[in-house]
Amino acid sequence: EIVMTQSPATLSVSPGERATLSCRASQSVSSNLAWYQQKPGQAPRLLIYGAYSRATGIPGRFSGSGSGTDFTLTISSLQSEDFAVYYCQQYNNWPLTFGGGTKVEIK
Amino acid sequence: EVYLLESGGGLVRPGGSLRLSCAASGFTFSDSAMSWVRQAPGKGLEWVSTLSGGGSFTYYADSVKGRFTISRDNARNTLSLHMNSLRAEDTAVYFCAKSDDILTSFVAWGQGSLVIVSS
Repeated sequence: EIVMTQSPATLSVSPGERATLSCRASQSVSSNLAWYQQKPGQAPRLLIYGAYSRATGIPGRFSGSGSGTDFTLTISSLQSEDFAVYYCQQYNNWPLTFGGGTKVEIK
Repeated sequence: EVYLLESGGGLVRPGGSLRLSCAASGFTFSDSAMSWVRQAPGKGLEWVSTLSGGGSFTYYADSVKGRFTISRDNARNTLSLHMNSLRAEDTAVYFCAKSDDILTSFVAWGQGSLVIVSS
């Protein structure tokens, strides 16, 4: 099983600042990596697939990078609606696995 | 617009059974792989099972293999999860999720159905 490790667990950021979230896979997942955003009481929403491709309707301030084992989600200028939990997920191998999440909170 | 609506959750005793359903609309259901992903209270996301569009290929997490069965009715645009021998650790919100194919990202999610396993 591929273990996905996200860091940090919590990120405190002021509105308008940049947020950088990390995700590391225990073995290569190529570019088969997605990022999701989840707000309290809501379902997850796909942000990024293929490590760097934005999903439909996702604002340009969200960007993904990386390949192999190390990935980054960057939110260039945090808006109030961006404070949420973010999960990475690999879909290179079965079982599909998620990282433990990074909570982005208001500083 | 893609719409997924889960139903069937509730309180069940350990060792009991439950069936979740997911009604889909807004897309060609038979062209999409469908999955169940769960989230225990206050915890992260855990993939449970995936079924290919035509229904020929199934995949399960080890934690549910042999106890849960995923199925679909492409004529009725419905996905199901039959859960047997339920345990306390199966307590979670269960989301159904759509993918364009197997081994791809989850492009759409339902709002979830809460399953509580407790005596």
